[in-house]
Amino acid sequence: QVQLQESGPGLVKPSGTLSLTCAVSGGSISSLNWWTWVRQPPGKGLEWIGEIYHSGTTNYNPSLRSRVTISLDNSKNQFSVSLNSVTAADTAIYYCARDVHYYRSGTYYYYFDYWGQGALVTVSS
Amino acid sequence: DIVLTQSPGTLSLSPGERATLSCRASQRISSNFVAWYQQKPGQAPRLLIYGASSRFTGIPDRFSGSGSGTDFTLTISRLEPEDFAVYYCQHYGTSLFTFGPGTKVDIK
Repeated sequence: QVQLQESGPGLVKPSGTLSLTCAVSGGSISSLNWWTWVRQPPGKGLEWIGEIYHSGTTNYNPSLRSRVTISLDNSKNQFSVSLNSVTAADTAIYYCARDVHYYRSGTYYYYFDYWGQGALVTVSS
Repeated sequence: DIVLTQSPGTLSLSPGERATLSCRASQRISSNFVAWYQQKPGQAPRLLIYGASSRFTGIPDRFSGSGSGTDFTLTISRLEPEDFAVYYCQHYGTSLFTFGPGTKVDIK
């Protein structure tokens, strides 16, 4: 079974860069899947950040596109997110997940099936 | 962009009761692109339903999804104690995922 684990600094200064890594085990990041990041401000709902395909193709939430980069490292079986110019509004639990684009009977289905446990990142001086 | 609205915001029910959660899209969407997740406090979301009505592996059959067009429903036929949680609907469209604001199902 695929398992994901986020890691990275829990505290980032305003205007700095938030960087997190998601280590994948139980499966290859080079398999035919996408990999995604989702965040959740404390006590609030879920916000999709972006996704990356094993080839390196990325899609981002337009609201974050100017500040976010998602990359992957096949040799380490992990992928990462970087968010620059952070403010207190970026304080959230950041989740990584496997992002399935599943083809069956002539159509695609899209969903996130395996998730990491989440990493809280606080933006504060 | 598609906006998802979930209702009610909070649903207060007793174990054994039926829960009906609504997810409404701001415009017509494909049911193939709708998923539902359950989230308990301190835990990551858990996939329940994809394609509006297909249960994910290991999800009990008391959970069911339905709907088309702009209106989608997650039904829990008989609430078990472990079902009290927040539920989110999700849509995929044009390389963009969006989530609804969630419905909290709590114990009456």
